[in-house]
Amino acid sequence: QSALTQPASVSGSPGQSITISCTGSSSDVGGSNSVSWYQQHPGKAPKVMIYEVNNRPSGVSNRFSGSKSGNRASLTIAGLQAEDEADYYCSSYANNSVFVFGTGTRVSVL
Amino acid sequence: EVQLVESGGGLIQPGGSLRLSCAASGFTVNGHYMSWVRQAPGKGLEWVSVIYSGGTTYYADSVKGRLTISRDNSKNTLYLLMNSLRAEDTAVYYCVRDFLQWTEYWGQGTLVTVSS
Repeated sequence: QSALTQPASVSGSPGQSITISCTGSSSDVGGSNSVSWYQQHPGKAPKVMIYEVNNRPSGVSNRFSGSKSGNRASLTIAGLQAEDEADYYCSSYANNSVFVFGTGTRVSVL
Repeated sequence: EVQLVESGGGLIQPGGSLRLSCAASGFTVNGHYMSWVRQAPGKGLEWVSVIYSGGTTYYADSVKGRLTISRDNSKNTLYLLMNSLRAEDTAVYYCVRDFLQWTEYWGQGTLVTVSS
């Protein structure tokens, strides 16, 4: 049950696009379509931004998109805004009936 | 309206026990799979345990043998019994419905502090 690997931090200027990677293995990300992305602001509960690799829940901006290739999932935030500054986590189902989170990425808007 | 309200957190000495509760409303806990997720202060999210609608349970290696997930269908409540607590169990504990599904829902969390 090793955590999925994410970059510690990613930054961008307002209006730019950024991409956060989430690298796992064939036992989790590579073998499952149950991959989600969460946004967490300080002191708040996580909020799901993407589920099942590339689906957005109702109410989430279409500036957020997800994808997956092999053992790596990605979250792209287009048109970066100040309110997007937060911590982001990926998560995946693993083939031994457990779940695993990524290490987390701090997104900064310059 | 779906609601998940965690309770039972607090300060506990190392080696002690604590039971967390998650009262659900707006749906039945035995009709969904329910998880516990925790977050240590200043750290990332960690999945802890799941109980499926059929009653099967799974745990993270870090808590196996010490934490037990269960539910009371009559009270529509999810539980996490925590034994042999360690300093590294200090965290906010969230209960989550349908983790990783489109019907996912999170509670607001309850803080557990393990310290002497």
